Amino acid sequence: AQTVTQSQPEMSVQEAETVTLSCTYDTSENNYYLFWYKQPPSRQMILVIRQEAYKQQNATENRFSVNFQKAAKSFSLKISDSQLGDTAMYFCAFMKQGGNQFYFGTGTSLTVIP
Amino acid sequence: EAGVAQSPRYKIIEKRQSVAFWCNPISGHATLYWYQQILGQGPKLLIQFQNNGVVDDSQLPKDRFSAERLKGVDSTLKIQPAKLEDSAVYLCASSLVVRPSYEQYFGPGTRLTVT
Repeated sequence: AQTVTQSQPEMSVQEAETVTLSCTYDTSENNYYLFWYKQPPSRQMILVIRQEAYKQQNATENRFSVNFQKAAKSFSLKISDSQLGDTAMYFCAFMKQGGNQFYFGTGTSLTVIP
Repeated sequence: EAGVAQSPRYKIIEKRQSVAFWCNPISGHATLYWYQQILGQGPKLLIQFQNNGVVDDSQLPKDRFSAERLKGVDSTLKIQPAKLEDSAVYLCASSLVVRPSYEQYFGPGTRLTVT
């Protein structure tokens, strides 16, 4: 079974600063995908970034980047130049290759302070 | 392009009552998912449809939950009878294909409160 752990229930960051959200996971699979989803107060989940486990290079999407450590089973999200619109719940998720099911962590509530 | 639509957005019922949620996926998306998101937890897959057929319903509590996707477009999720522990947000998502399943687009959800 796959488990995803987010050990930071709440975090805050000053506008324009950088923040890192932590995620660890446990799996016996070798091929899988990892994701960070953002869920603003309106509750519509939006994909922020995706990482394929077979890729050594860390994924980046504009101000969002990940630090993927496969051996350590760690997948952190770094948000640079934080903006007020980044305030949301962030979920780390796992899906095995060929699978159909996300395994989500419990989420980190991020607040960007003006 | 229009996103995934869900209704109602909020519902309050008493335990042992019945409730139904509706989902309209993105046009052309063959695969549809229902998730349950209990407060303080991440979403959990309840059921996955591919067109009209069920791909995975292993985590659906079939004694009280049912879902259908007639004509391979809209879907309804029903709970009968509801229990207090069913209080959650029910999310619908859709994707173009079954594999890879990660290209899922989520709706805004229906927040259910059972009293």
